[in-house]
Amino acid sequence: KNQVEQSPQSLIILEGKNCTLQCNYTVSPFSNLRWYKQDTGRGPVSLTIMTFSENTKSNGRYTATLDADTKQSSLHITASQLSDSASYICVVSAPNAGNMLTFGGGTRLMVKP
Amino acid sequence: DAGVIQSPRHEVTEMGQEVTLRCKPISGHDYLFWYRQTMMRGLELLIYFNNNVPIDDSGMPEDRFSAKMPNASFSTLKIQPSEPRDSAVYFCASTVSSGETQYFGPGTRLLVL
Repeated sequence: KNQVEQSPQSLIILEGKNCTLQCNYTVSPFSNLRWYKQDTGRGPVSLTIMTFSENTKSNGRYTATLDADTKQSSLHITASQLSDSASYICVVSAPNAGNMLTFGGGTRLMVKP
Repeated sequence: DAGVIQSPRHEVTEMGQEVTLRCKPISGHDYLFWYRQTMMRGLELLIYFNNNVPIDDSGMPEDRFSAKMPNASFSTLKIQPSEPRDSAVYFCASTVSSGETQYFGPGTRLLVL
């Protein structure tokens, strides 16, 4: 069964600090991997999307990396801000699966002043 | 564009009642998805449409759930009869084509008493 596992489940950091969120997946074959940010009470919003041939993708202070050999991805947040407090969800899709996505359970990040 | 629009934003109902959730996708998007999100199970795909046609409904939990898309700008998800275990946040998302980023609505928070 295709799975996407994220760690840690939750994380608390101080404002201004960096952090890294992890995503391991077993989806194979693999098409692309997305990181979504979900603020409390809102729908997920796409941060990055990477195909199997890409190693890194940045979106402002967010940088996602991908190692397709080890089936691991990370999302690094630099100089965290209070507004980064949210859940971050890793989503993997397989080729020829239409729009079928496999979602991770998410990491809940809290940034404290 | 106003993005994906969902209504109602909140719904509280009693067990056994019929519940209808509504979604207006982003204009020009050919794919529409219904998701359910709970703390225990995270985000789950229920069903998705392409050009108003249901493509995959394998995620629909049981016969109590049904979804329709009568035209390109409107979809409904109906639960009849509702049960307490249906309590969750239901998201609608749309995308312009297969494999592209999905844009989520704000969700409908359903509580079945």
